[in-house]
Amino acid sequence: QKEVEQNSGPLSVPEGAIASLNCTYSDRGSQSFFWYRQYSGKSPELIMSIYSNGDKEDGRFTAQLNKASQYVSLLIRDSQPSDSATYLCAVIHSGGGADGLTFGKGTHLIIQP
Amino acid sequence: EPEVTQTPSHQVTQMGQEVILRCVPISNHLYFYWYRQILGQKVEFLVSFYNNEISEKSEIFDDQFSVERPDGSNFTLKIRSTKLEDSAMYFCASNRQGGIYEQYFGPGTRLTVT
Repeated sequence: QKEVEQNSGPLSVPEGAIASLNCTYSDRGSQSFFWYRQYSGKSPELIMSIYSNGDKEDGRFTAQLNKASQYVSLLIRDSQPSDSATYLCAVIHSGGGADGLTFGKGTHLIIQP
Repeated sequence: EPEVTQTPSHQVTQMGQEVILRCVPISNHLYFYWYRQILGQKVEFLVSFYNNEISEKSEIFDDQFSVERPDGSNFTLKIRSTKLEDSAMYFCASNRQGGIYEQYFGPGTRLTVT
């Protein structure tokens, strides 16, 4: 069974610090990797996508992918209280058709003012 | 910025009743998806839809579920005979090119089965 694993947290980070969120996946053939942010009672909101090994930066967010280690991470620089949310790692297992995302359970991030 | 919309935001129904959840995907998107999230649990894929037919479906998407694109804008999920365990948030998502690309989620419908 294809699994996506995340530490559920909570992960508590002081305001202004770097928050580091991690995710591992079981299917070595996975093609695409996404980070979503979900506030309580709301829908997942896409933050980042990453498709190839290395780093991808967008504003305060950096996604990192290491396919050999089957590992994806998200760094949030200059963390703000509004970043407090659950961060969901999601994976597409193959490039064909209209595959659904496989989500992890999410990491609950708390930014302390 | 275009968004996925869903109606209703909250649906309460009695066990055994049929419900239809509605979604309007982003207008130039071609691939449509339904997901559900039981309270406190992870988001789970149900089904994907492309070119007026189901493309992929999960083990959750059994015979009590069906999807339809009745016109050029709406995408619906029907649950024929609801069970207590169908209580969840149901999210619609869409993307332009399917496959590996980003999926954008609607706000969700909270389904409560009593």
